[in-house]
Amino acid sequence: KAGVTQTPRYLIKTRGQQVTLSCSPISGHRSVSWYQQTPGQGLQFLFEYFSETQRNKGNFPGRFSGRQFSNSRSEMNVSTLELGDSALYLCASSRGTEAFFGQGTRLTVV
Amino acid sequence: TQLLEQSPQFLSIQEGENLTVYCNSSSVFSSLQWYRQEPGEGPVLLVTVVTGGEVKKLKRLTFQFGDARKDSSLHITAAQTGDTGLYLCAGTDYNQGGKLIFGQGTELSVKP
Repeated sequence: KAGVTQTPRYLIKTRGQQVTLSCSPISGHRSVSWYQQTPGQGLQFLFEYFSETQRNKGNFPGRFSGRQFSNSRSEMNVSTLELGDSALYLCASSRGTEAFFGQGTRLTVV
Repeated sequence: TQLLEQSPQFLSIQEGENLTVYCNSSSVFSSLQWYRQEPGEGPVLLVTVVTGGEVKKLKRLTFQFGDARKDSSLHITAAQTGDTGLYLCAGTDYNQGGKLIFGQGTELSVKP
């Protein structure tokens, strides 16, 4: 059974640009959540999608957005990138209370 | 808002030593999970504890859920260098729409 797949693994962007990250969940999982991880803040919840609807949202500015497609694949978008957006972005799929994470996308903003 | 506090934040020990990591909250959780994360990778689920007082063992790792379901602990016996990593506890916060919240993590370094 394939795990959660995130693409790309690494990304370097310039301030002011926008970026789109992709996540393919485990087959049969309809819930996809996104997290931002930085050394100082730990794992911070961004949002959760279930059956193409945003079910939960964390305390991030509107520059962070996401969506989910009918096949449960999800994308998150960050517009007008700032240096502070540099982080490991993790996607997790779940069916129940347990989350299964992808390897993450390491975003560096220069 | 439910919060999970982990202690210690950092732990550096020699191979062969025992250690315990704690995860505490003032709120009751229906279940808690423990994850282990290696640098540059996503967290990997180790165990889920559901019943108050429950003890689960995974080789040299022992997980316990408090009787009141407000705290949990992870005990590692005879640590090995391969145990090095970030250990995270997590629980579902139904006051916040059922989202999974994480403790800040315990960074474990096991030296040879």
